[in-house]
Amino acid sequence: EVQLVESGGGLVQPGRSLRLSCAASGFTFDDYAMHWVRQAPGKGLEWVSGISWNSGSIGYADSVKGRFTISRDNAKNSLYLQMNSLRAEDTALYYCAKGGIAVAGTHFDYWGQGTLVTVSS
Amino acid sequence: QSVLTQPPSASGTPGQRVTISCSGSSSNIGSNTVNWYQQLPGTAPKLLIYSNNQRPSGVPDRFSGSKSGTSASLAISGLQSEDEADYYCAAWDDSLNGRGVFGGGTKLTVL
Repeated sequence: EVQLVESGGGLVQPGRSLRLSCAASGFTFDDYAMHWVRQAPGKGLEWVSGISWNSGSIGYADSVKGRFTISRDNAKNSLYLQMNSLRAEDTALYYCAKGGIAVAGTHFDYWGQGTLVTVSS
Repeated sequence: QSVLTQPPSASGTPGQRVTISCSGSSSNIGSNTVNWYQQLPGTAPKLLIYSNNQRPSGVPDRFSGSKSGTSASLAISGLQSEDEADYYCAAWDDSLNGRGVFGGGTKLTVL
């Protein structure tokens, strides 16, 4: 059974940093791209970032480019999102999602339950 | 404002057939496949349709997807009360170095 478990969310002040983690199990982690998707309270889904199986291809939404960094550790079956210079508009539930073989043109076939990030003073 | 355009709401009675539209452009739906996600209240999204019209294992055949040009649609036949949820279309967009894009979501109410 595929499982994705996010952690690392919490309350943080504007301008500070936070690192999210996603522990994956139930599939061959280093065969697939992985993604972060977020959902602000009461709002729709927004793709944040994606990373290929070997970290050779990475993409970011314009809204987070230059502030967020996605990475993965295939030996630990883990995905990460380093979030710097956080803003109030980054407040959201952050989902880890399993992608396809490539970063682009893929669908997200499994999702975690999300970790909540609240940016407020 | 979302890159893909969906109606904010849709409704139907049990047993009815409802459709949800998703409009995009040549850089997303026009050149890439469309996926649909169902989000039940208080839960994570679930893949419902991928590659325009493919159903993952376990998704009832009451759900179907189609795509034409720069638009796509999700159809739900034999509507059931448990279908009440938010539905999102999604695609890859080839502009701006490539990015994932979603519709704003459609809240389906079963009357």
